[in-house]
Amino acid sequence: GAVVSQHPSRVICKSGTSVKIECRSLDFQATTMFWYRQFPKQSLMLMATSNEGSKATYEQGVEKDKFLINHASLTLSTLTVTSAHPEDSSFYICSAPGQGSYNEQFFGPGTRLTVL
Amino acid sequence: GDSVTQMEGPVTLSEEAFLTINCTYTATGYPSLFWYVQYPGEGLQLLLKATKADDKGSNKGFEATYRKETTSFHLEKGSVQVSDSAVYFCAPGVGSRLTFGEGTQLTVNP
Repeated sequence: GAVVSQHPSRVICKSGTSVKIECRSLDFQATTMFWYRQFPKQSLMLMATSNEGSKATYEQGVEKDKFLINHASLTLSTLTVTSAHPEDSSFYICSAPGQGSYNEQFFGPGTRLTVL
Repeated sequence: GDSVTQMEGPVTLSEEAFLTINCTYTATGYPSLFWYVQYPGEGLQLLLKATKADDKGSNKGFEATYRKETTSFHLEKGSVQVSDSAVYFCAPGVGSRLTFGEGTQLTVNP
């Protein structure tokens, strides 16, 4: 199956700094990628849809200036958490849809962000 | 909007016990239905899927049938193993967009 990678797998940063998380589709192209946030023992919350060559679409309640998304190529989307604060600590997961017609999503392994 | 109601966890079973995790959904359009599994410390993996009414998805001994009349997609396994311990997510999908249930934590004891 298709493989999606994320980097870094975990990051610890100081409050007020910015953190960039990369999501790559390794063996297929993805014009669309999705970014989720998962709190401990809770479900995945869709944050935004990343679109190659155009602006990302953010879900209601997600601050676009806080979570900057750039989909620079058909295999790479980045999520930058700007001026991070402890409440931004979470597990961030990206996914990309497969090539078939069944809407299957392939998920990255996730990035654990801890803001001190 | 779309929503998913999933059986609350955590669920604890003994090895070889029968498993059912209930899932009902509301969705606009005609969704495909998925079960994803998240093993400890890993990302989500597709477990099984069904794309139209009465389809049965199956994988690794798990099964789920697309019930359009009851808008349900219950996950079952006849005999669970310790290695099945994970969090299970039900997710209808319309277009490329998935809506996730809360997840059900399953622990299987030897």
